Amino acid sequence: ETGVTQTPRHLVMGMTNKKSLKCEQHLGHNAMYWYKQSAKKPLELMFVYSLEERVENNSVPSRFSPECPNSSHLFLHLHTLQPEDSALYLCASSQVGLRANEQFFGPGTRLTVL
Amino acid sequence: SQKIEQNSEALNIQEGKTATLTCNYTNYSPAYLQWYRQDPGRGPVFLLLIRENEKEKRKERLKVTFDTTLKQSLFHITASQPADSATYLCALGENNNDMRFGAGTRLTVKP
Repeated sequence: ETGVTQTPRHLVMGMTNKKSLKCEQHLGHNAMYWYKQSAKKPLELMFVYSLEERVENNSVPSRFSPECPNSSHLFLHLHTLQPEDSALYLCASSQVGLRANEQFFGPGTRLTVL
Repeated sequence: SQKIEQNSEALNIQEGKTATLTCNYTNYSPAYLQWYRQDPGRGPVFLLLIRENEKEKRKERLKVTFDTTLKQSLFHITASQPADSATYLCALGENNNDMRFGAGTRLTVKP
């Protein structure tokens, strides 16, 4: 185990649903990330939180809304998604400043939008 | 535009041989480069880090080189084993908050 957990592992939702993905890190890190991984494409960085403040938002549609209530928890709130949003959503954490951003990933949430 | 290209989508080699994976980049000035391993249904796992002022790093059967002139990193697995079969991702970092990944190379080591 990497010390980063994600729930749920699998999620099927309709385009009108609202759901949330949860990530928790037990490593004492100060930065957390959301990535999207689609088949045969590079990991796409979606959001970065460093010291609980959002420092990057890579032009992600507003139907994805992140929340970082503390340094150990990260959420991704989903609403009115599209079928092309179906992908593996990965959470990661790292200790910024200590080592060149070695990231620890969770197992991911496999999302299917019908 | 910025690109990170990993040489091939898939690589098949025989057990015992050396696997060599390539990562090329354009329009980046990375401060460091990392390699990750990803197994099906799992998140990537960190393997090695190499900084811009380093030429080569080794860890057990793994070796990474970094040529900032060629804008290329090579990742070698010597004495490969079937258990090394996985997808390998390279990632470039220009600062502490941001890292960009390649699409990965799926390595299959046949017994």
